[in-house]
Formats: sequence, C-alpha cells, structure tokens
Amino acid sequence: SQKIEQNSEALNIQEGKTATLTCNYTNYSPAYLQWYRQDPGRGPVFLLLIRENEKEKRKERLKVTFDTTLKQSLFHITASQPADSATYLCALSESTNAGKSTFGDGTTLTVKP
Amino acid sequence: DAGVIQSPRHEVTEMGQEVTLRCKPISGHDYLFWYRQTMMRGLELLIYFNNNVPIDDSGMPEDRFSAKMPNASFSTLKIQPSEPRDSAVYFCASSFEGVYGYTFGSGTRLTVV
Repeated sequence: SQKIEQNSEALNIQEGKTATLTCNYTNYSPAYLQWYRQDPGRGPVFLLLIRENEKEKRKERLKVTFDTTLKQSLFHITASQPADSATYLCALSESTNAGKSTFGDGTTLTVKP
Repeated sequence: DAGVIQSPRHEVTEMGQEVTLRCKPISGHDYLFWYRQTMMRGLELLIYFNNNVPIDDSGMPEDRFSAKMPNASFSTLKIQPSEPRDSAVYFCASSFEGVYGYTFGSGTRLTVV
C-alpha cells in the first residue's frame, strides 16, 4: 500500500543550527513533492515545490532535495530561529493523478533559544 | 487578494443535523480541494475540483458527505446527517493548475455532539 512517513513526530534543535526533516514514501510514482508549514490553529502554508526531475530547490534559508531512487525528500532550515518552530508537512502528488496530493503526518520542530 | 475564505470558523451541532461548510477560493485558481484534519488521521483529501468539475471524490467517507462547486468562486461541503466521528477541522484550499502549491483557508472546526 502507499505510505508517506516523516522522520519523527518531534524534532528539537538549538537556535542557529540546521534542522533537517525527512519525508520517505513507498509505492508512489511522484510527479512532485511539496513542503508546508502549519502553525497551531491555522491552515498549512506552502513553502516549496520540487518536481521529480529536480534534485534540489532553495528559497532563502530553506533547501529541499528529492531523491526518487531513495524515495526520499530532505527539508533543511539553515540558521534556524525560534520563529521557525511549527509543524512541517510533506505532500506527494502522483504522475497519474497530479491534482491529488497526499500529506504526511508532519514533524513538529521546536527551535530553542 | 484576501486568500481562501472559509465559513464558519467554528460550528457546533447536534448529531443528526445537517452541516454546510463554505469556501471561496482565490480568484483565478482553477483547482479547489477539501481536506479534513484530525489527530488520528492527519490531513486527508476528501474531494477536489478542476474548473468547477469534481475530479476525484474517492476520499469522501460515505454518502453522508457531498460537495458542490456551482461556480468558480464558491464551493460547499455538506454533511447530512452529521455524526460525532465527523468532528474535525475541515480545510478548503485552492491552486493554479494544481501544481504551484496550495493556498489553504483558515479552516472550519466542526464539533458534533
């Protein structure tokens, strides 16, 4: 069956360090993968999208990699700040139904000052 | 643009009652999605529309749930009759061409007692 797994439910790091979040998937032929941020009581906010033929995408302090051989995406936040504390969700869309995105359960990141 | 607008923000209803959730997508977006989020099941896709036409409703739990999109600027999700297990946060999201990241609304928190 299809499955999307995000590394751990919670990740705690010190301010200034790089946070690395993992999204693994099985039994998907992904067209593209998205990362979202969700704060308590709010809807997810889109951060980055990477296509299956792209290896890496960057936006300011954010970097996403996509390895379709390993079936894994890594999401990095460099020089992390307490304001980066939130839940981060990955979402996969398949080539056969690109409009349908399936979300992982998310990883809650806490950045301590 | 004011973003994706959902109403009501909160809804408390008694079991057996009809519930209607409303969504106004971003102007110009041609994809609209309804998601449901719970602690147990995470963020689940219920149904999505492209150019007002339902494309995939495989996530709709059962016949008690129905969704419509009569025009490009309005969609409804109806639950009739409602049950306590329908309690969740329901999100509407819209996207341009379905591939450029979704913009989520603030959600409707539904409690069925």
